[in-house]
Amino acid sequence: QKEVEQNSGPLSVPEGAIASLNCTYSDRGSQSFFWYRQYSGKSPELIMFIYSNGDKEDGRFTAQLNKASQYVSLLIRDSQPSDSATYLCAVNYAGNNRKLIWGLGTSLAVNP
Amino acid sequence: GAVVSQHPSWVICKSGTSVKIECRSLDFQATTMFWYRQFPKQSLMLMATSNEGSKATYEQGVEKDKFLINHASLTLSTLTVTSAHPEDSSFYICSARLAETQYFGPGTRLLVL
Repeated sequence: QKEVEQNSGPLSVPEGAIASLNCTYSDRGSQSFFWYRQYSGKSPELIMFIYSNGDKEDGRFTAQLNKASQYVSLLIRDSQPSDSATYLCAVNYAGNNRKLIWGLGTSLAVNP
Repeated sequence: GAVVSQHPSWVICKSGTSVKIECRSLDFQATTMFWYRQFPKQSLMLMATSNEGSKATYEQGVEKDKFLINHASLTLSTLTVTSAHPEDSSFYICSARLAETQYFGPGTRLLVL
């Protein structure tokens, strides 16, 4: 059973701080990793994806991938109240009809 | 780029009627689209994978005769909820795959009375 695990939270950080969101996955055959953000009542929106070990930065967001530890994280610098949402980690397995395996999401609250 | 639309955004119908939801990739072609359902306060649940020109692949427990999926072109997939009942009331979301990434539509909120 392929699984993706996230801490459900809520994770609460003050405005301006760094929020760190974590995700682990069970299958070493995983090839691509995604972070989506979902506001209440809305559909998920892509934040970023990462394929290779190491860090990938996009604005205030940094994704970190460690395939040896089967761990992917998302850092949000200078957190804003507008970042308050549920963050979903998803993993794409080759040969799995290209569907994503989803974590249950981490709820983030950024306090002004 | 990579914009996905859904129509309608919300629909209210009577029990026993059928409802069709459209999912379109506006600026790219998608051989594969996905249909999800999400109940309040719950996680996304994949219902089926829609492949252009072939039959959809349904997840375990999803009734293929109740949730009809058609993917007749590279930019359009439709989900028809047949003989809808109140327990089908939910948030239905489609996504379209471009390379390895799924881009989501805004979702359709269905309320069955």
